[in-house]
Amino acid sequence: DQQVKQNSPSLSVQEGRISILNCDYTNSMFDYFLWYKKYPAEGPTFLISISSIKDKNEDGRFTVFLNKSAKHLSLHIVPSQPGDSAVYFCAAISGNQFYFGTGTSLTVIP
Amino acid sequence: SQTIHQWPATLVQPVGSPLSLECTVEGTSNPNLYWYRQAAGRGLQLLFYSVGIGQISSEVPQNLSASRPQDRQFILSSKKLLLSDSGFYLCAWRTETQYFGPGTRLLVL
Repeated sequence: DQQVKQNSPSLSVQEGRISILNCDYTNSMFDYFLWYKKYPAEGPTFLISISSIKDKNEDGRFTVFLNKSAKHLSLHIVPSQPGDSAVYFCAAISGNQFYFGTGTSLTVIP
Repeated sequence: SQTIHQWPATLVQPVGSPLSLECTVEGTSNPNLYWYRQAAGRGLQLLFYSVGIGQISSEVPQNLSASRPQDRQFILSSKKLLLSDSGFYLCAWRTETQYFGPGTRLLVL
């Protein structure tokens, strides 16, 4: 059973505009959430995280929003750049385990 | 700083052959270690994780196995590969977040 879901397999955005990637989860015991970025044939790299006690965390062009009541988090990238084109995974932590979504492939069009 | 190594980077193996993928971590002690697989067009599937030497938790029953003979070494093995074992295998270790190795691309023919 997929406890972390990314319902949009792909997203295309014009350079300079905002990219919004969404993620839903089902387990209310998750206490920490993360976003990873992955290029083909490489390991995922950590991007940004948020604790369940917060609703927003910002790092440069990247902002993660958490809505616990809706069990939803999102990643905003502003402004989007062509180098942001990659697959983005959201993940949630419970205990020792990380639960990953299936990923959203972002394409930023120059 | 901490570094995670995986080898080989790419592997082509025939069906029925054995497998051994190695992962080592530098710059930390007693890390939690993880093996994931990313199959084509799919997300990251947790295969095994380990909280210490000789301690392995299996998440998915299959023909793969894992071992942790040393604190900073994690090995993924199979006695007989299946076609469905093809994919991108990632080793990871954890502090507050999880850091991934460069991955091994396995193609079973």
